[in-house]
Amino acid sequence: SQKIEQNSEALNIQEGKTATLTCNYTNYSPAYLQWYRQDPGRGPVFLLLIRENEKEKRKERLKVTFDTTLKQSLFHITASQPADSATYLCALLPSGTYKYIFGTGTRLKVLA
Amino acid sequence: EAEVAQSPRYKITEKSQAVAFWCDPISGHATLYWYRQILGQGPELLVQFQDESVVDDSQLPKDRFSAERLKGVDSTLKIQPAELGDSAMYLCASSLELAGAGADTQYFGPGTRLTVL
Repeated sequence: SQKIEQNSEALNIQEGKTATLTCNYTNYSPAYLQWYRQDPGRGPVFLLLIRENEKEKRKERLKVTFDTTLKQSLFHITASQPADSATYLCALLPSGTYKYIFGTGTRLKVLA
Repeated sequence: EAEVAQSPRYKITEKSQAVAFWCDPISGHATLYWYRQILGQGPELLVQFQDESVVDDSQLPKDRFSAERLKGVDSTLKIQPAELGDSAMYLCASSLELAGAGADTQYFGPGTRLTVL
């Protein structure tokens, strides 16, 4: 079956450290993969998009990698801050489709 | 900065009643999405419009849910009758074009939190 999996357990890290979140998928041939941030009671906010032929994308303190062999994307936040605490969602666009499939999200808590 | 508007923000209803949600996308955005998000899960696409046409409604429970975007601008999602299992956050999003066309960023509204008693 087709699945997109993110760690359902919350990730707690100390301020200043690098947070690394994982998005694994099975039985999809992806075209694009996106990462979103969602705060409680609010809609997701787009962060980054990476294409299947790209290995890495960066934006300020954020970095996304995409390994289509491992069927995995990693999302890194460097020099993390308490304001980075939120749920982070990955969303995959299968090739030949118009519909993004979202993972369940991982809750990140950055401790001061 | 332009935003996606949704109303109401919160809705409490009894089962078997009808409910309706409204969404106004960012001006100029051709693609509009309705998602349902159950607490602790990711958003699940219910219906996707390109202008006034439905592109995908494969996950929309058509026996009780309906959606329209008559003039290709704002949209309404209706549930009739509501069931206990419909309690969730209903999110509307819009993008410039269909996913995969290069302008893939989806801009989400604040959502409507539905509680069915």
